[in-house]
Formats: sequence, C-alpha cells, structure tokens
Amino acid sequence: QVQLVESGGGLVKPGESLRLSCAASGFTFTDYYMSWIRQAPGKGLEWVSYISSSGTTIYYADSVKGRFTISRDNAKNSLYLQMNSLRAEDTAVYHCARGPVVGYGMDVWGQGTTVTVSS
Amino acid sequence: QSALTQPASVSGSPGQSITISCTGTSSDVGGYNSVSWYQQHPGKAPKLMIYGVTNRPSGVSDRFSGSKSGDTASLTISGLQAEDEADYYCSSYSSSTTLVFGGGTKLTVL
Repeated sequence: QVQLVESGGGLVKPGESLRLSCAASGFTFTDYYMSWIRQAPGKGLEWVSYISSSGTTIYYADSVKGRFTISRDNAKNSLYLQMNSLRAEDTAVYHCARGPVVGYGMDVWGQGTTVTVSS
Repeated sequence: QSALTQPASVSGSPGQSITISCTGTSSDVGGYNSVSWYQQHPGKAPKLMIYGVTNRPSGVSDRFSGSKSGDTASLTISGLQAEDEADYYCSSYSSSTTLVFGGGTKLTVL
C-alpha cells in the first residue's frame, strides 16, 4: 500500500546537525512533489519545505531558509531533510508528505520522526 | 510567516452540523482555489479531507464539505459523529510564503 516512513530523528544540542529520511513505497515516487511539515509539541502544523518531482524546484519556509536543505533520490524512492544549525524552536515531529498535489493538498502523510533540540 | 486564522475550538452534538472557518488574505485563501483541510486525531498523522477548496479525496465521507467566500474558507461537517472529534487544519497556497497552515481548530463532539 501507499506508505511513507520517516527516520533519523533524535536528541541533538543547539547548533548541531541532523539528517532526516523518508522512504516511500506503493506509488511512483517520481510522479510526485514531496514535502516536509513539522509540528512542535502541543502546537499546529508548520510547512517546512517542498521539492518538485525532478528535484529542480525547491521552496523553504522563512524559518528554516539557509539552515535546512531538502533533497530526494528518485532511484531510492527517498526524500531527505538536512538540518543544520539546529535551534530549540526546531523541536518538533517532522512528517514527510506526498504533495502538493492537485488543489495544493498533501494526500499521504508519514507518522513522523521526532527531533529534539536541547542542551 | 502569518498563519491562517482559525477558531481555537468548536463543538457540536451528534447529528448536528458545524462549520470551521479559515481566514486569510487575497495573497492566499482569497486569491487561489488552493485551500485544503486536514483532520488529525491525537498521536496520529494528519489526513487530507478537502483539497482545492471543495474536493473530497476518495474515501472521505460526504458529510465533509468545503467552501470559500472572499478571503475566508470553511469546512462544514454535517451529521456530526463521535469519531469526528479531532483537530482540523486548513492550508493554502500563498504568493508570499508558498504554503501556509491555519493554527488549528479543536472539534469537540458533546
């Protein structure tokens, strides 16, 4: 079935780096844009970044621009998020999602991986 | 990046209808037919309920419907059921910030 599985979260100190991965299965990965969305503890959803199907078009939220890098490996059906210079406010569950698709929705979501930034 | 404005909470009794609003600007909600709605139960991943303002993905109950007037989009749930109790988020394409979410609305079924 269609599935997204994130990995790579953990506890890091401020200023450190972390790389998240998202393994996609059950659909043609190369047909879709892919996104990262995060949710801080007890807070709402925040869009982080998305990447086009070919990887040539990329957008970031202002809050992560210059620190985070989204990428994909279509041969491995995988999406990545390289997070540098991490801050306490980056603490969140990070979900990968398929899309935006038509109507600008994200139609498949992973369960998320938890990133905690604390000294 | 300013989030879209949603009420913090709404409530209704089983069988009733409720509406959740999502207010933005002409740069997002009002300017494009790119509003989506998500349902999120505690500890679970969000689920797409509405896309493109009014469209339901396959498998989503027709009790859920979306609309838009000016800079405000709305999600209506009719025939409220206990399982509808969840957090609901709107999102929209934005010409200034690319994609923006609302702050979320907690729906309580009384």
